[in-house]
Amino acid sequence: NAGVTQTPKFRVLKTGQSMTLLCAQDMNHEYMYWYRQDPGMGLRLIHYSVGEGTTAKGEVPDGYNVSRLKKQNFLLGLESAAPSQTSVYFCASSYLHLGVTGAYTYEQYFGPGTRLTVT
Amino acid sequence: AQKITQTQPGMFVQEKEAVTLDCTYDTSDPSYGLFWYKQPSSGEMIFLIYQGSYDQQNATEGRYSLNFQKARKSANLVISASQLGDSAMYFCAMREGPGNQFYFGTGTSLTVIP
Repeated sequence: NAGVTQTPKFRVLKTGQSMTLLCAQDMNHEYMYWYRQDPGMGLRLIHYSVGEGTTAKGEVPDGYNVSRLKKQNFLLGLESAAPSQTSVYFCASSYLHLGVTGAYTYEQYFGPGTRLTVT
Repeated sequence: AQKITQTQPGMFVQEKEAVTLDCTYDTSDPSYGLFWYKQPSSGEMIFLIYQGSYDQQNATEGRYSLNFQKARKSANLVISASQLGDSAMYFCAMREGPGNQFYFGTGTSLTVIP
C-alpha cells in the first residue's frame, strides 16, 4: 500500500507556463482533495471530488482545473501559472467507515506535498 | 466568518505535562466532522483524531483526546504526557456539507521543552 502519492515533489515554473500535478491513491477512497498551503494561512481547499467523474470547487479554485477520470487519480492543472500560485500543494483522500466504537468515522490521508515555485 | 479558528499561534509545554490546543468552529450544518492533524517540520500531514457531530462521547486515540463541546462549538485537542516528538504544527479542520468540503485553521505551533 503506497497510500497517497504525488508527482512531482518539486517544480519551478515561469509565469504563463502550464503544468499538471498528479495525485494517486491505492486505498479505493471515494473522496479526493487538492489543497494549497501558504505560510501562516493553514491549508485551503482548491477543488475536490466525491467520486470518479465528479469534481467541485473549493475555497480557492481560481486559476486551477481538475479532473478525476479514474477513481484512483486526481489531477490538478495550472493552465497559465502566476507567482501567486507559488505554494505547497497537498493532495488527500478520505473515506467513511465504521469505527471501533460503532460510530461512523472519517479518516483523511495526505500525500507528501508538491513544492511549486512560479517565477 | 472564519470556519475554523485557532487562537494560539504558539504554545510551549514541559515534557511529560498535558497540553490543550484550542479550536472553535462555525457551521450551520447539523452533520459535520472535526479533525486534528499534526505537521512536523518535515512537512507531511498526519491525521490524529476525528469527532463526528453526532458522536456522544469525546474521541480518544492513545495520548490524544478531543474535548468536544457542541454548544460552545469548540473542539480542543488534549495531548497527555507530552513528548519531544510532539513538537510540530497542529491544525484543526472541519468537514461539512454533502460534498464533504474541508476547512482548516491557521494552526498552532507546539514546542515541547525537555
